[in-house]
Formats: sequence, C-alpha cells, structure tokens
Amino acid sequence: TQLLEQSPQFLSIQEGENLTVYCNSSSVFSSLQWYRQEPGEGPVLLVTVVTGGEVKKLKRLTFQFGDARKDSSLHITAAQPGDTGLYLCAVLGSKAAGNKLTFGGGTRVLVKP
Amino acid sequence: DAGVTQSPTHLIKTRGQQVTLRCSPKSGHDTVSWYQQALGQGPQFIFQYYEEEERQRGNFPDRFSGHQFPNYSSELNVNALLLGDSALYLCASRRAGASGTEAFFGQGTRLTVV
Repeated sequence: TQLLEQSPQFLSIQEGENLTVYCNSSSVFSSLQWYRQEPGEGPVLLVTVVTGGEVKKLKRLTFQFGDARKDSSLHITAAQPGDTGLYLCAVLGSKAAGNKLTFGGGTRVLVKP
Repeated sequence: DAGVTQSPTHLIKTRGQQVTLRCSPKSGHDTVSWYQQALGQGPQFIFQYYEEEERQRGNFPDRFSGHQFPNYSSELNVNALLLGDSALYLCASRRAGASGTEAFFGQGTRLTVV
C-alpha cells in the first residue's frame, strides 16, 4: 500500500475545461507538496501546504490541504495545453530522515487544444 | 546559475552490465539525493549523500551504490543490471541546514536495460 494514493491516474480534457486531482492517505502529515513534471524533465515544486484547511492559489491552480492534514487536492481552472504533465504529491521527511521526499504515483494530465 | 545537471541524458545497457550516472548539484547546494522513477510511477528514494557520506537509504539492494565528491557532485552506480532497473534516474539537490529548503531536480537520466 502506497503512503500517498493519487487519483485519477490519468485525465484527458479539452482546453478551457476544469479539472481536480486528489492525493489521499491514512496518515497525518505536517506538510505536503505538489510537483509538476513535464516530459523529459524532472519534477518542479509548485507549492507546499502546511496548515489543515489551507488554500493556496498559483494563477489558475488552487491547492487545498484537508482539515485533518491527510489529504490534498489540486484544482485547475480553464486548463491550457501548457498544463499538460504529471502532477505529483509528496511528503517531506523530517530533517533527521534527511528530508527525503515520498511521492504518490502521480496523475497524468493531458490538455488537448 | 546552472541548476542541477545530470549526465548522460540517455543510456542503453545490457543485462549484467554496470552503469555510472552523474549529477552536479545546483550552486550553493551540498546535499544530493537520487530517485528512481519507473514508467508511469512516482519517483522512489534511493539514497542521499551529504559531506561525502551516505546518510539515508531507501529500499534498494546493495547493487545500488553511490559516491559524493568534495565539490558536492555525485555518482550513482548500479551493478549487475536487471531489466527491471530500466527507469528515469533523478538527482535532486538541496542546501542542508536550512529549514524548509526546496529540493531542485535535474532532468534525469533515462536508463534502458536490454
């Protein structure tokens, strides 16, 4: 069983549509990060959420951390082809654990023009 | 300012062979971590190097080893390659000691074992 379960695994939508991807766990986290990975590139950090119920916005992307700090969602409004990529959620380990990242399986998003 | 750079970008090896992948961290970063990303999956932590020593290790066999040099660059070595080792290998660097410091990833090395 993965620590972080992401859903759906794959999402294909038309330009202009909205989408939401989810990251769920049975564990409580002090913080959670979202990354986007484009083909042929490494993951790039989009946001870190740390407070239960927190909502952060990054242009057309809205990130929410669940009240119980066990889950998170990413909502994209009016998706564009440039939003295509693999969206990964991850938890950052403690400093004692080397701050290692534990990733979910990812949601692959395809935005068609 | 160059970010994290990895070489080579692509590599094809035969089962049983050995491979060495290289990583130069972002300027100012002293901690390097390696991840394996199989096709269609999220990255999995292999190990982390700081001050030229392996500090943390994920659930990978001893065939996976590494090294960090005085200039903070790092190598990942994989011996006795298996078909299942085919993956994208990612290097990430960060600056130790700074709380909440962001990890920056390289573009990865795509390893294909045939």
